[in-house]
Amino acid sequence: DAGITQSPRHKVTETGTPVTLRCHQTENHRYMYWYRQDPGHGLRLIHYSYGVKDTDKGEVSDGYSVSRSKTEDFLLTLESATSSQTSVYFCAISDPDLSNYEQYFGPGTRLTVT
Amino acid sequence: KNQVEQSPQSLIILEGKNCTLQCNYTVSPFSNLRWYKQDTGRGPVSLTIMTFSENTKSNGRYTATLDADTKQSSLHITASQLSDSASYICVVSQTRGGYQKVTFGIGTKLQVIP
Repeated sequence: DAGITQSPRHKVTETGTPVTLRCHQTENHRYMYWYRQDPGHGLRLIHYSYGVKDTDKGEVSDGYSVSRSKTEDFLLTLESATSSQTSVYFCAISDPDLSNYEQYFGPGTRLTVT
Repeated sequence: KNQVEQSPQSLIILEGKNCTLQCNYTVSPFSNLRWYKQDTGRGPVSLTIMTFSENTKSNGRYTATLDADTKQSSLHITASQLSDSASYICVVSQTRGGYQKVTFGIGTKLQVIP
């Protein structure tokens, strides 16, 4: 998985609780992304980061926030989890120096909100 | 309507047979088109990347073709193996400044049976 780890890999939480997912890379890539994958949908971008403390929203950012205080870590926070946020979350990394901005994906985090 | 449409949604083939997966897209302009393989419970892994000027790219038993005029791509798998059972995702990217906007297809789920 190209030097990308995600934690936790599985989590079950209750509606209304805060949840933080962590993505850690050892590749020193500039860009990091959070996607969610749901049945019947392609991977959808939640937020992305183009550098330390530089982040921007994706197409499904409502209810999510992110932070990137170090190059290697990108955190996704659900301030108050809802059942609609039950999904599989993938982190990805890329770098402008890579051919064609190749994106490498982490192993995913399966989140269930009950 | 999704800007990247894949067909079929699912496919079952016998081990050793060939198959072709289709991807039609409306994203324009685009920088590159990628095919990813996603094993169950894992993150997507890149198989091929093609820019708009390329019309074929191979990776072992996987051959991708691209017709930028008709906005169609296909992924051909030769002499299928049980390990080819996975979802195959077509991804179209647009470069905007230093950032790539990517649009994912829903994927084709391939099952190879003995």
